[in-house]
Amino acid sequence: QLQLQESGPGLVKPSETLSLTCSVSGGSISSGNYYWGWIRQPPEKGLEWIGTVSFNGATYYNPSLKSRGSISVDMSKNQFSLNLSSVTAADTAVYYCARVSGDEYNRADHWGQGTLVTVSS
Amino acid sequence: DIQMTQSPSSLSASVGDRVTITCRASQSSSRYLNWYQQKPGKAPKLLIYAASSLQSGVPSRFSGSGSGTHFSLTISSLQPEDFATYYCQQSYNTPFTFGPGTKVDI
Repeated sequence: QLQLQESGPGLVKPSETLSLTCSVSGGSISSGNYYWGWIRQPPEKGLEWIGTVSFNGATYYNPSLKSRGSISVDMSKNQFSLNLSSVTAADTAVYYCARVSGDEYNRADHWGQGTLVTVSS
Repeated sequence: DIQMTQSPSSLSASVGDRVTITCRASQSSSRYLNWYQQKPGKAPKLLIYAASSLQSGVPSRFSGSGSGTHFSLTISSLQPEDFATYYCQQSYNTPFTFGPGTKVDI
């Protein structure tokens, strides 16, 4: 059964870079039928689509990130990662990694449990 | 960006009730509409994709309908495990956007 697990620091200082990794088990990240994505949820708020990466490194980012985001894939480790630079308190959120269908419906059908990242000095 | 709205923002219901949640898009999303269920402290779970297709493993009491700008999620007979927050998400245009959520409680 496919499982995703986020890891990374739970506390990041303002202006620094948030770095998270999603480890995938029970399936290969190199499958061409899926994208791998990041979605976040500020405390007590709704969901925001951050971006996706394909197995061959093609990426999409939400313009709301203002070019601060970077998503990469490491097929040798079956992992993908998110870097978000110049963070502010507004980036405080639970960050989820997810598998996204490769068809036109772009549905997130498997999710990690989520990891809370707090931006604070 | 396509803005998504949901109504109601919250509702109270009882076990066995039929519940319908509405999602509207600011512009046509064709049938590129997904529904998720989220319980407190948990990740969202995909229920419905392509407006009306039931995700594998999801009980048949969940159903979706609609196209264009008006969509709905119906729970035919509410079960105790269905008390949660429900989100719609359009996947017609990037950036993909979610509705603000509808909380279903007792």
